[in-house]
Amino acid sequence: DQQVKQNSPSLSVQEGRISILNCDYTNSMFDYFLWYKKYPAEGPTFLISISSIKDKNEDGRFTVFLNKSAKHLSLHIVPSQPGDSAVYFCAASVPSGTYKYIFGTGTRLKVLA
Amino acid sequence: DVKVTQSSRYLVKRTGEKVFLECVQDMDHENMFWYRQDPGLGLRLIYFSYDVKMKEKGDIPEGYSVSREKKERFSLILESASTNQTSMYLCASSLHGTGGGGKLFFGSGTQLSVL
Repeated sequence: DQQVKQNSPSLSVQEGRISILNCDYTNSMFDYFLWYKKYPAEGPTFLISISSIKDKNEDGRFTVFLNKSAKHLSLHIVPSQPGDSAVYFCAASVPSGTYKYIFGTGTRLKVLA
Repeated sequence: DVKVTQSSRYLVKRTGEKVFLECVQDMDHENMFWYRQDPGLGLRLIYFSYDVKMKEKGDIPEGYSVSREKKERFSLILESASTNQTSMYLCASSLHGTGGGGKLFFGSGTQLSVL
C-alpha cells in the first residue's frame, strides 16, 4: 500500500516557466514532508521540507505547499532552469520513535531550453 | 559538508553469492539507513540503525541483514544473492530521528547486478 504517491512519472517544462510537482499521501499522522532531487548516478539530495503545522515554505526558487485537508503537497519551481532537470522524490516522515521516511515513486522533470 | 561514502559504485555478483555493501559517514550521525531504488517503486527502506549494534527492519528486509559495529559504518549483507535483488542501493544518514524533519544525507549509490 503506497502511502506516498507521485502520480506523474514525468513532466516537461519550458525554461523560465513554472514547474509544479505533486504528491499525495494517505497517512494523516505524517509530521514532516521533504523533497529530494536526484541526478543520474548520484544519491538524492535534500531540497526543501515543510512541517505538517505549516501550509507553505519557501526557499529561493523553490516553494512547497501543503494542503492537509486534501492530503496533498506540491513543489513549485520558479523560474525553471535546465539544471533543474532531475528526478524529484517527495518523502514523509513518520512521527518520532520510528526513524522512518516513506518515499514516493518520483517524478522525472525535464526543463527544455 | 556531510559525506556518505559507499564503497562500490557498481557490483556484479552471481546468484547465491554472499554480498557485502559498505557505507561510511563522517558526521557522527546516529541514524543510518539502507534503501533500494527500483524504477516505478521509488525508494524503499530495507533496514535502519539508530545506534551502534542497534537495528530495525524497514519495509523490505527479507533476504538482507545489516551490521553496525561502529557509529560511522553501516553494512548491508545479502546472505544469498538472487536476481530480484538487482537494484540501486542507497545508504543514508541523519543526525536526528524523524519527527523533527531531520534531513537524510545520501551516498552516491551502488548499482548491484545479480546474474
